[in-house]
Amino acid sequence: DQQVKQNSPSLSVQEGRISILNCDYTNSMFDYFLWYKKYPAEGPTFLISISSIKDKNEDGRFTVFLNKSAKHLSLHIVPSQPGDSAVYFCAADESSGSARQLTFGSGTQLTVLP
Amino acid sequence: KAGVTQTPRYLIKTRGQQVTLSCSPISGHRSVSWYQQTPGQGLQFLFEYFSETQRNKGNFPGRFSGRQFSNSRSEMNVSTLELGDSALYLCASSLGGGPGGGELFFGEGSRLTVL
Repeated sequence: DQQVKQNSPSLSVQEGRISILNCDYTNSMFDYFLWYKKYPAEGPTFLISISSIKDKNEDGRFTVFLNKSAKHLSLHIVPSQPGDSAVYFCAADESSGSARQLTFGSGTQLTVLP
Repeated sequence: KAGVTQTPRYLIKTRGQQVTLSCSPISGHRSVSWYQQTPGQGLQFLFEYFSETQRNKGNFPGRFSGRQFSNSRSEMNVSTLELGDSALYLCASSLGGGPGGGELFFGEGSRLTVL
């Protein structure tokens, strides 16, 4: 039973346009969400996070939106650049838990075409 | 500041063998977590250690075990290897300030192939 789902395994976008990556979750105890980017042969690197008390967090070209009622979050990248081509993982955490344990989605491969 | 270091980067084993993977966290980080990544499955949580104590364990069989040393370095062990254990094993460290306390910093992973 996947508690965090990324239903699009891949996405292709033209350079300069907006990339929108989506993520759904089922566990209502999740209250902290993160996005990671992963290049081949490298470990995931942190991109941006959002707490459940917010509905938007922005950092440069990256914006994460959280819709708690729909249990849905999305990552917007504007404008998209070829260097953004990577696998993007959505992850969720429970602040009421006793340990650092992230639940990850299966990832979305983003390809930005020049 | 050095990142999370994992050794070995690549290894090949045969079924029934055991393997030990090592992880050195970022200096000052006391929490070390392990994740398994397989194609199409994302990252699956294995366990988390903090101050030499296992705080949480994922849904993996007892063949998967780990430990953390007083210097925060961690090892994970997989015994009686099966073909399905072939995966990228990722170690991540954090300050350990509790859930939601910031991001995890990942190493580059150890790629295990079981033949």
